[in-house]
Amino acid sequence: LAKTTQPISMDSYEGQEVNITCSHNNIATNDYITWYQQFPSQGPRFIIQGYKTKVTNEVASLFIPADRKSSTLSLPRVSLSDTAVYYCLVGPPLNNAGNMLTFGGGTRLMVKP
Amino acid sequence: DTAVSQTPKYLVTQMGNDKSIKCEQNLGHDTMYWYKQDSKKFLKIMFSYNNKELIINETVPNRFSPKSPDKAHLNLHINSLELGDSAVYFCASSQVGTSGRLETQYFGPGTRLLVL
Repeated sequence: LAKTTQPISMDSYEGQEVNITCSHNNIATNDYITWYQQFPSQGPRFIIQGYKTKVTNEVASLFIPADRKSSTLSLPRVSLSDTAVYYCLVGPPLNNAGNMLTFGGGTRLMVKP
Repeated sequence: DTAVSQTPKYLVTQMGNDKSIKCEQNLGHDTMYWYKQDSKKFLKIMFSYNNKELIINETVPNRFSPKSPDKAHLNLHINSLELGDSAVYFCASSQVGTSGRLETQYFGPGTRLLVL
């Protein structure tokens, strides 16, 4: 399983764009990159997933370079409610028997007024 | 109409006791999971289960056992509770597909277990 490395914490201000980078040097060919968001006292919530290049949805964008050894979650114009822990998760489809996903320590994002 | 629900939300108990945490999902998913989140916020998968197979993280003590009465439920039984079992336990579910994509997991609100 690909190990991920993320910054432990980041600070930002309302209205700014936030980019959180995740390193996954030993990513495998069939691994996908998924980001989850977790608020205090809640379970993680899916944000975005990608395999290569760029993916965008109504919440965030995910940039993945050609070598796929890292990925960057981009949150446009953050608000106070975006204060949360963001987890980068790398792994193959779960329909491959025996694969167990592991979340890393996550990045604690603090958005200030 | 909560997608993934867990009970109880809080559980305080003494060392040596046996306890269970219940999980139900109404998403029609075929795979359910249990995770443990420790004080450092690391989320570690404990079990992955569907009607075909149970996949166990080899680091999980055999005091922990999942029990699935039906496809919508995966309960977690813990025997002989220890201080180190104190953590937040999350249940999750997903639909394992054939598209080759990594399935999205839907998490419950968590059960905060404190062993005294």
